[in-house]
Amino acid sequence: TQLLEQSPQFLSIQEGENLTVYCNSSSVFSSLQWYRQEPGEGPVLLVTVVTGGEVKKLKRLTFQFGDARKDSSLHITAAQPGDTGLYLCAGAGSGNTPLVFGKGTRLSVIA
Amino acid sequence: DADVTQTPRNRITKTGKRIMLECSQTKGHDRMYWYRQDPGLGLRLIYYSFDVKDINKGEISDGYSVSRQAQAKFSLSLESAIPNQTALYFCATGTSGPLVYGQFFGPGTRLTVL
Repeated sequence: TQLLEQSPQFLSIQEGENLTVYCNSSSVFSSLQWYRQEPGEGPVLLVTVVTGGEVKKLKRLTFQFGDARKDSSLHITAAQPGDTGLYLCAGAGSGNTPLVFGKGTRLSVIA
Repeated sequence: DADVTQTPRNRITKTGKRIMLECSQTKGHDRMYWYRQDPGLGLRLIYYSFDVKDINKGEISDGYSVSRQAQAKFSLSLESAIPNQTALYFCATGTSGPLVYGQFFGPGTRLTVL
């Protein structure tokens, strides 16, 4: 069974600080996605990474896929209150298996 | 208009009642999914469908059933609701292909079973 472990589970920081959250597994994934979920809403897809070692940037967010395609990180530079939310990672295995979701990191950015 | 819609958005019901949650999508995706979300447990897959004639059980299918009426519609039923089915339910869609590029979620249905 493929599992994705996210850390930390909770993170509370001041506006302007930098942070990194992690998504780790012992399994290899063909692709990995990051989502952000705000209270009362569904998760929204932020990015998909496919190639080992790949780095993608989305404004102040930087996503990295591990060389072995078993782990990923999300780095936020100069966090803002609008970044507050639940960040979920999800991995796609081979064939037609459904996505595996981590339990998420709940981020709170305080103004 | 939203690409993935869910009805109802909120529902309160009593133990033993039959409940149907509906999902419609305009994204043209062939794959559709039902998840439930509980605090501390994350998203758990209930059922998924890769096309109209394909239905698969997920991690927690007991007590639930689904119907894929058309490519754009996927409904979830609770035949006899019980209190531990109180949760936030999400429908999602996705594309097929050799690589999975991500899923697109509806706004969710908050279900309370008394």
